[in-house]
Amino acid sequence: EADIYQTPRYLVIGTGKKITLECSQTMGHDKMYWYQQDPGMELHLIHYSYGVNSTEKGDLSSESTVSRIRTEHFPLTLESARPSHTSQYLCASSEYRVGEQYFGPGTRLTVT
Amino acid sequence: RKEVEQDPGPFNVPEGATVAFNCTYSNSASQSFFWYRQDCRKEPKLLMSVYSSGNEDGRFTAQLNRASQYISLLIRDSKLSDSATYLCVVAGDSNYQLIWGAGTKLIIKP
Repeated sequence: EADIYQTPRYLVIGTGKKITLECSQTMGHDKMYWYQQDPGMELHLIHYSYGVNSTEKGDLSSESTVSRIRTEHFPLTLESARPSHTSQYLCASSEYRVGEQYFGPGTRLTVT
Repeated sequence: RKEVEQDPGPFNVPEGATVAFNCTYSNSASQSFFWYRQDCRKEPKLLMSVYSSGNEDGRFTAQLNRASQYISLLIRDSKLSDSATYLCVVAGDSNYQLIWGAGTKLIIKP
């Protein structure tokens, strides 16, 4: 079993609020990723990191930011939540090969 | 046209049968390919990696056809627990980004 954790698992929040989704892994992986997935749809990469102090945007502009101050921790922040942000957010990590990723259980976000 | 395309299904298959589904990709320069399975409302989990022409792991076989730009997944002697959505993933041009298919839903019936 992969040791990657996400909190909260479920979140309902009002429009305009600032939220931070937490992701931690205990495997010592350098590479970490955030994805957004709507039901029945493909995963879209929001942000990724190849190590401490390294962050890049993916192909989906979600008006979010990330930080990577510690290897094990990769939080995602939405400065001002909107209903269009309602989705599932998945955090993942990988050791050597980008294609072999371990996923956390996800955060289901609903913005009202 | 999507970069990675899969038949969404669902494929309804009796237990014990063999089932196969394909995934087509548009970038001929793609080098590595992966199959993940995703149970309903759960996270994806890596099933198999394909770096050359194919790979086999127990009842699961993945085959790559570079000329026709598709990768297939074959499941033999299917079990009820194989019911899931199978995601095809292709490593894109850059070495950080994966291109994910939307998945093929498989339902194994007793």
